[in-house]
Amino acid sequence: SYVLTQPPSVSVAPGETATITCGGNNIGSKTVHWYQQRPGQAPALLIYSDHGRPSGVPERFSGSNSGSTATLTVSRVEAGDEADYYCQVWDSRGDRVVFGGGTKLTVL
Amino acid sequence: EVQLVESGGGLVQPGRSLRLSCAASGFTFEDYAMHWVRQAPGKGLEWVSGITLNSGAIAYADSVRGRFTISRDNAKNSLYLQMNSLRTEDTAFYYCAKDISGYSYGGGFNYWGQGVLVTVSS
Repeated sequence: SYVLTQPPSVSVAPGETATITCGGNNIGSKTVHWYQQRPGQAPALLIYSDHGRPSGVPERFSGSNSGSTATLTVSRVEAGDEADYYCQVWDSRGDRVVFGGGTKLTVL
Repeated sequence: EVQLVESGGGLVQPGRSLRLSCAASGFTFEDYAMHWVRQAPGKGLEWVSGITLNSGAIAYADSVRGRFTISRDNAKNSLYLQMNSLRTEDTAFYYCAKDISGYSYGGGFNYWGQGVLVTVSS
């Protein structure tokens, strides 16, 4: 079955740039979506189709996808960005949706 | 405003059944695929099942296949999850989620409900 691998945690100081990776076999050939989940809340779509931003998502959030790694980049990190972040793909071969294990972003 | 409201959760004994419902409003329900996603307390997201707009295609996670059944009633703008032979490991918050796409599952989930807790315990 297809597996997505994320680092369990990433820490960054306010104002700096956070990079969260999502590894998968030839993930560059798939379409990747990213979700943000703040404590006690439901997940929310953050990035769709590798780099699209839903209405209302700040430009500080960006995505890329190539080779074996998809990347979520958070620029000029703010305290309010502290949350769990999940990547997700559709594994057409296995006929299933796959989520990464999630990355907890801590703002120092 | 898009709203997804789950109901039907609660405490149930192992081996018993439970049916979750998701009431949708604020969009044309019959135009979009829908999903159930769960999250055990303190754990990550796990996709459970998805159904295309006309119920023409249905998919399940291996962990629930054969025990859970997803369905929808487009006339009632509602999504359902029938959960049979429940196990303690099924304990989780269950979220209803709207797909960006109608006929496939590749578009991302752009709206989520607030979730309902299912606790399987004796």
